[in-house]
Amino acid sequence: QVQLVESGGGVVQPGRSLRLSCAASGFTFTTYGMHWVRQAPGKGLEWVAVISDDGTYKYYADSVRGRFTVSRDNSKNTLYLQMNSLRPEDTAVYHCAKALPVVGHNYGSDLDYWGQGTLVTVSS
Amino acid sequence: SSELTQDPAVSVALGQTVRITCQGDSLRSYYASWYRQKPGQAPVLVIYGQNNRPSGIPDRFSGSSSGNTESLTITGAQAEDEADYYCSSRDSDYNHVLFGGGTKVTVL
Repeated sequence: QVQLVESGGGVVQPGRSLRLSCAASGFTFTTYGMHWVRQAPGKGLEWVAVISDDGTYKYYADSVRGRFTVSRDNSKNTLYLQMNSLRPEDTAVYHCAKALPVVGHNYGSDLDYWGQGTLVTVSS
Repeated sequence: SSELTQDPAVSVALGQTVRITCQGDSLRSYYASWYRQKPGQAPVLVIYGQNNRPSGIPDRFSGSSSGNTESLTITGAQAEDEADYYCSSRDSDYNHVLFGGGTKVTVL
């Protein structure tokens, strides 16, 4: 069965960095785009970033562009999110999610499996 | 970029039908996907594309589209359907993904 397990969250001071990981299993990782979606405490879902199946295409929300970098290691079935210059407003649970494939686009946007998430708290 | 608008909350009597709507310019170009999220749990995809249900999602969930509005209908709501529901779609102008603000469904 499909499993997505995030790790790397924690408490970090503003301005510092953190790298999240998402270990994938139960499907052919190399053939699916992957997303990061976050949820601040008590708030709704916010899309963060997407990476295409081969890592060629990467897109970001305006709120994180220039600070966050999404990457993947298909040999390790692992997705990453490097978060730099963290701000208090980045405090959230970060979920990785697998996208359904779609014809005609570099990535799918229907997310059929989600991890439970890892909590990132940015506070001094 | 665009945005998706949902009503914050809706209630439905047990066994009755409830419709949740999602409005946005991007929906003129792309279908929405719908996610159900219960407290403390990860979101679950319930509808995608032109009214497609993933395996394991009951057929009381259905989706429809008209102009800039997509709807999720629960026909014969059950107690376990009480949750937050989010719509999502591609942004028609940018390589972004949009989420609506979510609708809290209460089953009375």
